Amino acid sequence: RKEVEQDPGPFNVPEGATVAFNCTYSNSASQSFFWYRQDCRKEPKLLMSVYSSGNEDGRFTAQLNRASQYISLLIRDSKLSDSATYLCVVNDPGTYKYIFGTGTRLKVLA
Amino acid sequence: ETGVTQSPTHLIKTRGQQVTLRCSSQSGHNTVSWYQQALGQGPQFIFQYYREEENGRGNFPPRFSGLQFPNYSSELNVNALELDDSALYLCASSPSQGGFEQYFGPGTRLTVT
Repeated sequence: RKEVEQDPGPFNVPEGATVAFNCTYSNSASQSFFWYRQDCRKEPKLLMSVYSSGNEDGRFTAQLNRASQYISLLIRDSKLSDSATYLCVVNDPGTYKYIFGTGTRLKVLA
Repeated sequence: ETGVTQSPTHLIKTRGQQVTLRCSSQSGHNTVSWYQQALGQGPQFIFQYYREEENGRGNFPPRFSGLQFPNYSSELNVNALELDDSALYLCASSPSQGGFEQYFGPGTRLTVT
């Protein structure tokens, strides 16, 4: 089993739609979780950290489910500018490694 | 912008050569991580430096090495370049070790021919 797994997509959704991505992780001791957004041939940009209680930033909501070892990202009212690859990241507390998933591609269609 | 800078932007090298990539961390950050990102893949963790010491390493051979300087800027050195080393190399800085948010520089695109 991969340390961090994401559905690669692509997810093609119309503008205004709600879309959700999941990311599973294998190390139950992991403590820090993040979502990054990456545009084509650019560096990853931090979208949000994921806290145990869940957190929301405008149209974006992140959740953590420790029992099932996954994190999720929900995007409401999708915009064309949301088209990108979304990367989930898990920090390994024992080795300081940050482990990225392969990313989920989102394309928002007009 | 994150304040993390990398140089050079692009680089073309020949198999067997050596390369040094540079990164300046965001002001106030003492931890730098390096990543290799191949096309269509997520970034792969190479190693992390915290206060000039390597404190975490991914599955990369010893020909990948690094340094961190007293001002927390960092270098990634790759010896004996192979064709598979062609990738985007990303540097990320964070306020400290231990699972903090990371902020990435624009990357160096390395092509090995």
